[in-house]
Amino acid sequence: AQTVTQSQPEMSVQEAETVTLSCTYDTSESDYYLFWYKQPPSRQMILVIRQEAYKQQNATENRFSVNFQKAAKSFSLKISDSQLGDAAMYFCASKNNAGNMLTFGGGTRLMVKP
Amino acid sequence: DVKVTQSSRYLVKRTGEKVFLECVQDMDHENMFWYRQDPGLGLRLIYFSYDVKMKEKGDIPEGYSVSREKKERFSLILESASTNQTSMYLCASSLIVGHLNEQFFGPGTRLTVL
Repeated sequence: AQTVTQSQPEMSVQEAETVTLSCTYDTSESDYYLFWYKQPPSRQMILVIRQEAYKQQNATENRFSVNFQKAAKSFSLKISDSQLGDAAMYFCASKNNAGNMLTFGGGTRLMVKP
Repeated sequence: DVKVTQSSRYLVKRTGEKVFLECVQDMDHENMFWYRQDPGLGLRLIYFSYDVKMKEKGDIPEGYSVSREKKERFSLILESASTNQTSMYLCASSLIVGHLNEQFFGPGTRLTVL
């Protein structure tokens, strides 16, 4: 079974600054996928970024990037130039290659201060 | 754009009532999911369906059942609602093919059982 842990229930960042959200996971699989989802207040959850475990290069999507440390089973999300619209719950999730189901962490609430 | 809709945003029911939560997706996705979201626990999978009339139990199926009579519709049923089923319920859908099958989420139903 997979487990995903987000150790920071809440984080805050000043607008235009950079913030890093932590995520660790545990899996016995060699082939898996990792995701960060964003859930804005009262809005639908959307995918922010994803990483294939077999790729060494860290994924990036505009201001969002990950630091994937496979040996340490760590998958942190870095948000650069934070904007007010980045305020949301962020969930880290993992998925085995062979399966369809996601395993989610407990979430981190990010607050952005103007 | 993929659209996943849920029948109600807010629902208040009494203990012992039978409750139906409906989810509809418009992108011909094979997979559909029901999650429960609780603070600090993230999202936990209740049931998953990969085809019409097919279902698999997730991590917390006790007290719930599901129905998928049409590909686009996936219903979650609480046979006899209890107060510990007060929660946010999220529906999601995804394609069955592709290792990175992103899940698309509905807006959620906040259920209160009195």
